Order: sequence, then structure tokens, then C-alpha cells
Amino acid sequence: DAGVIQSPRHEVTEMGQEVTLRCKPISGHNSLFWYRQTMMRGLELLIYFNNNVPIDDSGMPEDRFSAKMPNASFSTLKIQPSEPRDSAVYFCASSRGTGTGELFFGEGSRLTVL
Amino acid sequence: GENVEQHPSTLSVQEGDSAVIKCTYSDSASNYFPWYKQELGKRPQLIIDIRSNVGEKKDQRIAVTLNKTAKHFSLHITETQPEDSAVYFCAAGIRDDKIIFGKGTRLHILP
Repeated sequence: DAGVIQSPRHEVTEMGQEVTLRCKPISGHNSLFWYRQTMMRGLELLIYFNNNVPIDDSGMPEDRFSAKMPNASFSTLKIQPSEPRDSAVYFCASSRGTGTGELFFGEGSRLTVL
Repeated sequence: GENVEQHPSTLSVQEGDSAVIKCTYSDSASNYFPWYKQELGKRPQLIIDIRSNVGEKKDQRIAVTLNKTAKHFSLHITETQPEDSAVYFCAAGIRDDKIIFGKGTRLHILP
């Protein structure tokens, strides 16, 4: 398996623009997580899905952020409109979701909002 | 919700010495405590984990301890080597749902 695949790897955009980050989890994994990493706040859990259903989105900073998982092999995180403070590395991770524990992270999407 | 505190934020140790990183958690329902290592520019990767029915676990030079009463858990790295330099994250969760991370410890191994 190729692991968790994220795109784009790098995104530079201007304030106010819409940003869409994409994630393909490992085949057969039932849980998918979106994290945001910054120096100040570390790894923050934004939202996680189990069997394509959003279970907890309490970490989503505000209404500008939304996430979807239309099927077991694809998820998106959208920011609209984007702001400079959204600049961070966004990681997608998946796990088997059977209590085995390990999260497998993608390589991350580095977002810069000017 | 769960809150994980991690200390210290930065740690420098001489090569060959031991390093200890400590974490506390708030939710008594948490029963799964993984540790992740993140090298510069890379993704976090699991190095060891411990579940609440175990007090200690060891894997070569790495060991974790858990005190459920005090809600403390720690990572111990012995005989540190240059390749141990990285950021280490502790985390807590229920099984593999809603894994909450600490803010990380940047470990420097000095020659």
C-alpha cells in the first residue's frame, strides 16, 4: 500500500481565497483524522471520521472550515475564506479503527496564506 | 474533553545519556497512550504505545510508564544516539478514537 496520500503538498494562496486539501486513506482503514500543526499549538485534532461519518468536529476552529468524506477512500478539508492565521501544516491520518491504535500519517499539506 | 500536557518543550542531553519526557492527561476514560516521533520535515510516526491495563512497556532503548491514578505517563530513552534527535509527541485517547496530542518536546542529542 502507498500509505496515506495527501495533496497538494504545498499551497500558497492569498487571503480570502478558498483552499481545498485532499486525502486518500490507507485502503481498509475505517477511521480518518485531520490534524493541524503549528509551532505554537502543536498537533491539533480538527475532525475525525469513522466509517465515513464525522464523529467529532469540536476541533474545527470556526465555520470557515469544513470537512467531508464522501466515500471510504477520499476526504477533503476546505477553508473558505482563508486567512493568514490558517497558515500551518495540515496532516491527514488513518487507522484501522478497530482499537489497534496506530495512526498512519500522510506527508502533510503545507499551507501559506498571504 | 481530553487535554494533554507535555514537558519539557525542549530537552538537550549528551549523547549516551538518558532522556525523559513527561505527560499528563485529564480524561480518566482515556485508555490508550501512544508516543510519536517526528523528524524535521517528516510525518509523525508511532514509536511505542501503552494501554491502561499495563504499567510499563519496553522496546530496546525506549520505555514508557503509565500511572493511571495520577494520570501521568512518561517516555524514557536510554543510551541516546544522534538519530534520536527529533520532536516527540505524547498522546491520549480511547482506543484509537479521538487521539489528542501534547504540544511536543524537541530533543537535541549533543555530541
